[in-house]
Amino acid sequence: EVQLVQSGAEVKKPGESMKISCQASGYSFTNYWIGWVRQMPGKGLEWMGIVYPGDSDSRYSPSFQGQVTISTDKSISTVYLQWSTLKASDTALYYCVRLYRQGAVFGSGYFDYWGQGALVTVSS
Amino acid sequence: EIVLTQSPGTLSLSPGERATLSCRASQSVTSSYLAWYQHKPGQAPRLLIYGASSRATGIPDRFSGSGSGTDFTLTISRLEPEDFAVYFCHQYGSSPLHTFGQGTKLEIK
Repeated sequence: EVQLVQSGAEVKKPGESMKISCQASGYSFTNYWIGWVRQMPGKGLEWMGIVYPGDSDSRYSPSFQGQVTISTDKSISTVYLQWSTLKASDTALYYCVRLYRQGAVFGSGYFDYWGQGALVTVSS
Repeated sequence: EIVLTQSPGTLSLSPGERATLSCRASQSVTSSYLAWYQHKPGQAPRLLIYGASSRATGIPDRFSGSGSGTDFTLTISRLEPEDFAVYFCHQYGSSPLHTFGQGTKLEIK
């Protein structure tokens, strides 16, 4: 059974750094892109970026390029989403997603499995 | 960037009725690379439809997707109590790779 298990809720202060995780199981970790999706309070979903664990290649949404870093540790089948300097506007629910490749464009495909979500609160 | 606009924002129907949800794209969606998801509070979203019209594994056949180009539709033929949720569409073929609609809330009338 495919599972994406995310780390727990976080409460941080503006200016702090943070890394949240998503551990995958039930499939060949290095063969599927994994991505992150943000949902701000009362808002819709926003794609942030994806990483291919096989070679650590990554793609970012222009809106999130330079704002976050997505990385992977193949040894423990885990993908990370990292901030160096948090802002109050980073308060949101973050989902990790597995991408099922479809299409010729590199990194295109639909999200066939989702993690349970991690609530991040950034407040002074 | 492709913008997806879903309508209506909220749809109020009764169990047993037919639901028709719309997703309109600002530009043509490459090769109908459009998916639909169901999202219930406190749960992870669930993939329903991919490639505009293909049902995901385990999805009941009362869910169907159709459309191409800029206009796509999710139809639930006969609503069950467990179908009341938020539904959102997702295009995955064009720059910037992935965009989502804002969602349609399907509520019990």
